[in-house]
Amino acid sequence: QQQVKQSPQSLIVQKGGISIINCAYENTAFDYFPWYQQFPGKGPALLIAIRPDVSEKKEGRFTISFNKSAKQFSLHIMDSQPGDSATYFCAASPVTGNQFYFGTGTSLTVIP
Amino acid sequence: NAGVTQTPKFRILKIGQSMTLQCTQDMNHNYMYWYRQDPGMGLKLIYYSVGAGITDKGEVPNGYNVSRSTTEDFPLRLELAAPSQTSVYFCASSPRAGQPQHFGDGTRLSIL
Repeated sequence: QQQVKQSPQSLIVQKGGISIINCAYENTAFDYFPWYQQFPGKGPALLIAIRPDVSEKKEGRFTISFNKSAKQFSLHIMDSQPGDSATYFCAASPVTGNQFYFGTGTSLTVIP
Repeated sequence: NAGVTQTPKFRILKIGQSMTLQCTQDMNHNYMYWYRQDPGMGLKLIYYSVGAGITDKGEVPNGYNVSRSTTEDFPLRLELAAPSQTSVYFCASSPRAGQPQHFGDGTRLSIL
């Protein structure tokens, strides 16, 4: 059973466009929602994270939007660049638990 | 600035062989994790540890064992390798629950 559902599986965006990746969860105990970026041959690296007390968090070109009532959160990459081409994972962790639950990943390709 | 170091980077095993995947971190993190990553499946938690001497099972622990004798090291043992264990294995650490995880660059394991 996939605790965090991520879509789309793959995404192709033109340079300068907006990339949007969506995640949904069911467990209301989740209270920490990070996004990771992974390049080929490397481990995932934390990109940006949010807690449910805010609806949006922005860091540079990357923004997380969080909808607590819908139990959904999304990553927006503004002005997408070829260097953003990577696999992106959303994840969730419960406040009292020790485990992270990851989405299945989105392969983003930004074409020049 | 090493972070999380995994060895070896690549390995080919025969069915039934055993091996240990090494993981060490120099950030004095209490929490350490082992994941496997299969195409289209995201990251699945195998085992985790919240401190030296304490380990617990994740989502997919069968066929694996771990130990945590020091804060720095968290080796993963495969006793009787099976083709289903062909995967990329990632070790991660974090200071405590609900905090960002830092990943190593993975061990790519093929079992033939």
